[in-house]
Amino acid sequence: KNQVEQSPQSLIILEGKNCTLQCNYTVSPFSNLRWYKQDTGRGPVSLTIMTFSENTKSNGRYTATLDADTKQSSLHITASQLSDSASYICVVSAGNYGQNFVFGPGTRLSVLP
Amino acid sequence: DAEITQSPRHKITETGRQVTLACHQTWNHNNMFWYRQDLGHGLRLIHYSYGVQDTNKGEVSDGYSVSRSNTEDLPLTLESAASSQTSVYFCASSPYSGGAHNEQFFGPGTRLTVL
Repeated sequence: KNQVEQSPQSLIILEGKNCTLQCNYTVSPFSNLRWYKQDTGRGPVSLTIMTFSENTKSNGRYTATLDADTKQSSLHITASQLSDSASYICVVSAGNYGQNFVFGPGTRLSVLP
Repeated sequence: DAEITQSPRHKITETGRQVTLACHQTWNHNNMFWYRQDLGHGLRLIHYSYGVQDTNKGEVSDGYSVSRSNTEDLPLTLESAASSQTSVYFCASSPYSGGAHNEQFFGPGTRLTVL
């Protein structure tokens, strides 16, 4: 069964600190992996997308890594800001054309002043 | 600017009533999706469409239906609302029919409460 797991479930950090969120997946055939940010009361917004051949992708203070061999991805946030408080969702696309989207449950990040 | 909108943003209804949630996108995307999001669960796919007159069942389609009569709209209908359908509903669209960069763009969500 295609599954995406994320850890931790929730995380609290102080403003300015770094943090790393984890995503493990059992999805086949793998097409690509995305990280989304979801602010409270809003729809998810894409941060990064990586295909099988990519192992690092950055978007400002967000850096995603992908290890296709171990089926793990991480999202590293540098110098956190209060506006980083949100849920972060890992989404893996399955199927030969990436048409099946498998969503993780998300990690709830709270950044405190 | 192109966008994806949902209406209403909040809805309260009674058990057994028919409810329709609207989704409208102005990107001219072929693919449209409906998800529900509940505490403790990731987004779960209800129905999706790859183009006009095309509809497909997702993971949790029981009790829901969709129709695609044009590119811009994919309304979601709850035939007979049940309390288990209390949730936040998200509509999404994506521009490609396949491939590695088929990013989904999400609407703002509709919070539905079934009493």
